[in-house]
Amino acid sequence: EVQLEESGGGLVQPGGSLRLSCTDSGFTFSTYSVNWVRQAPGKGLEWLSFIGTRSTPIYYADSVRGRFTISRDDATSSLYLHMNSLSAEDTAVYYCARDSCVAGRGCGMDVWGQGTTVTVSS
Amino acid sequence: DNVLTQSPGTLSLSPGERVTLSCRGSQSISSIHLGWYQQKPGQPPRLLISGASSRAAGIPDRFSGGGSGTDFTLTISRLEPEDFAVYYCHQYGNSFGQGTRLEI
Repeated sequence: EVQLEESGGGLVQPGGSLRLSCTDSGFTFSTYSVNWVRQAPGKGLEWLSFIGTRSTPIYYADSVRGRFTISRDDATSSLYLHMNSLSAEDTAVYYCARDSCVAGRGCGMDVWGQGTTVTVSS
Repeated sequence: DNVLTQSPGTLSLSPGERVTLSCRGSQSISSIHLGWYQQKPGQPPRLLISGASSRAAGIPDRFSGGGSGTDFTLTISRLEPEDFAVYYCHQYGNSFGQGTRLEI
């Protein structure tokens, strides 16, 4: 079964840092682009970052550019999100999601993890 | 960044009805980069439509997508009870719309 699983969430103080991880099973991780998406409590989805195969290209949402860094390690089929200067506004469930682009059918995030919760609070 | 605006924000409907949801970008979007997602409480989103009009694997044919340029739509031809959820449009490598909630 094709799956993604996030980890690394937890409680962090304002101004702190955290690293989220996402691991896959059931597919060849290195051949897919991957995204991080978050959802604050009771709010909509917010796309955060995209990393292509071989780590190119990389995109960030304005809200996290300069504070968050996306990276991947294809040797271990792992995706990471390094988050710095966290504030209460970063409290959310964080999802990783696989991008699938099929000729003639376009692109979409077709596999999602269950999410990991980050709470920023003193 | 392209801002995606979905309308309406909330729709109250009944099973069996037909509904069309709208997603408008502040800039033109390549159709291959426009997707629609469904999310139910406590669950991650599920891909419904990629490339503006291609149904993802396992998605019933009552779901259809269309549009081009800055204006895109998701149509559910006949609502089933399990379709009452929140729907989001998304531009590849960019933002989501704010969502449309379908409620009974």
